[in-house]
Amino acid sequence: EAGVTQFPSHSVIEKGQTVTLRCDPISGHDNLYWYRRVMGKEIKFLLHFVKESKQDESGMPNNRFLAERTGGTYSTLKVQPAELEDSGVYFCASSHRGSEQYFGPGTRLTVT
Amino acid sequence: AQKVTQAQTEISVVEKEDVTLDCVYETRDTTYYLFWYKQPPSGELVFLIRRNSFDEQNEISGRYSWNFQKSTSSFNFTITASQVVDSAVYFCALSPFAGGTSYGKLTFGQGTILTVHP
Repeated sequence: EAGVTQFPSHSVIEKGQTVTLRCDPISGHDNLYWYRRVMGKEIKFLLHFVKESKQDESGMPNNRFLAERTGGTYSTLKVQPAELEDSGVYFCASSHRGSEQYFGPGTRLTVT
Repeated sequence: AQKVTQAQTEISVVEKEDVTLDCVYETRDTTYYLFWYKQPPSGELVFLIRRNSFDEQNEISGRYSWNFQKSTSSFNFTITASQVVDSAVYFCALSPFAGGTSYGKLTFGQGTILTVHP
């Protein structure tokens, strides 16, 4: 069974540009989560989808971040326009009903 | 609000030593889940264990063991006879129990970098 996959693995963009991160959850997992780890700090929750609906988006830092999960399969996280403080590693995780979350390898975003 | 504290930023041991990673948590919930994840150099977070708050039995899995003490709000992780392959960042995490809009939301500690030297 394939695990959670994320694309790209690494992205370097300039301040003001737009970047879109993609996450493909484990097949059949209704729950999809986005987290972020800014350098030197703890991993922080961004939002949670149940199928295509946003269950909890309390961790989204501001309106420059837009997450979608059309059709309840893969999800995208768009940052527009990117700022320096958005640099970090973005993790995606998925789970089935009440099970534990399985994480992807993360996307390392560098904003210069 | 939920909070997880891993006071040990870095630990360095020699192979075959036992090592304990500390985790202390705060929550107002009466029921919750506790987790440990391992992040090897490859970067992904690997699930190790989930415990629910009403099961305080300690658990052992091979060289890994976990000590959950609700009275002290601690969920410590011990690796017995450590090996070089255990070198990684280890994260402790907390989530609400089922139900409510914040179900599944993990609150992580800062992580402990474990280095096991040959």
